[in-house]
Amino acid sequence: AQSVTQLGSHVSVSEGALVLLRCNYSSSVPPYLFWYVQYPNQGLQLLLKYTTGATLVKGINGFEAEFKKSETSFHLTKPSAHMSDAAEYFCASAGNQFYFGTGTSLTVIP
Amino acid sequence: KAGVTQTPRYLIKTRGQQVTLSCSPISGHRSVSWYQQTPGQGLQFLFEYFSETQRNKGNFPGRFSGRQFSNSRSEMNVSTLELGDSALYLCASSLVADRDSPLHFGNGTRLTVT
Repeated sequence: AQSVTQLGSHVSVSEGALVLLRCNYSSSVPPYLFWYVQYPNQGLQLLLKYTTGATLVKGINGFEAEFKKSETSFHLTKPSAHMSDAAEYFCASAGNQFYFGTGTSLTVIP
Repeated sequence: KAGVTQTPRYLIKTRGQQVTLSCSPISGHRSVSWYQQTPGQGLQFLFEYFSETQRNKGNFPGRFSGRQFSNSRSEMNVSTLELGDSALYLCASSLVADRDSPLHFGNGTRLTVT
């Protein structure tokens, strides 16, 4: 069965620092992978997706993620955190249904 | 283009009652999925509909049901509400049911059961 694991339920970074949110997937076949962001009292918004092709995927708001098959990882990064990045982030894989990680809450310290 | 619309945004119900939540997908989207989000459990998949047919179902009791209409709008119903049903219920639509087609979420219906 497919699943994703997000390491770290809470991550804090200083404004301007690197953001790194970790996601590992479990799949017997190359998966479709997604990162979503959720702001308070809102639904989830797609940041980026990996299907096939280039392993470095660029998304909205300066985020990007790299698909590493050898490490079964799909970590989300942003070079410089902004206060507006504070939110909940979800990694997801898609097989017969979508499987979401448990989320990582990102706090940005001014 | 309008996004996914969920109504109502907030609901307060009493144990034992039943509730119906509504979801209007993005125009042209034929697949609609429902998720329950709680602080402890994260996003739990409820069911998915495509062209009025239930395509997939999560591990929820029979009290949870749904349907999709010919215009792709969807409803989910929860009967005999329990306190544990308090959650944010999210609807998501996608253009097709292919798995590389991303989900587009509504802002959810927050259900409180007292």
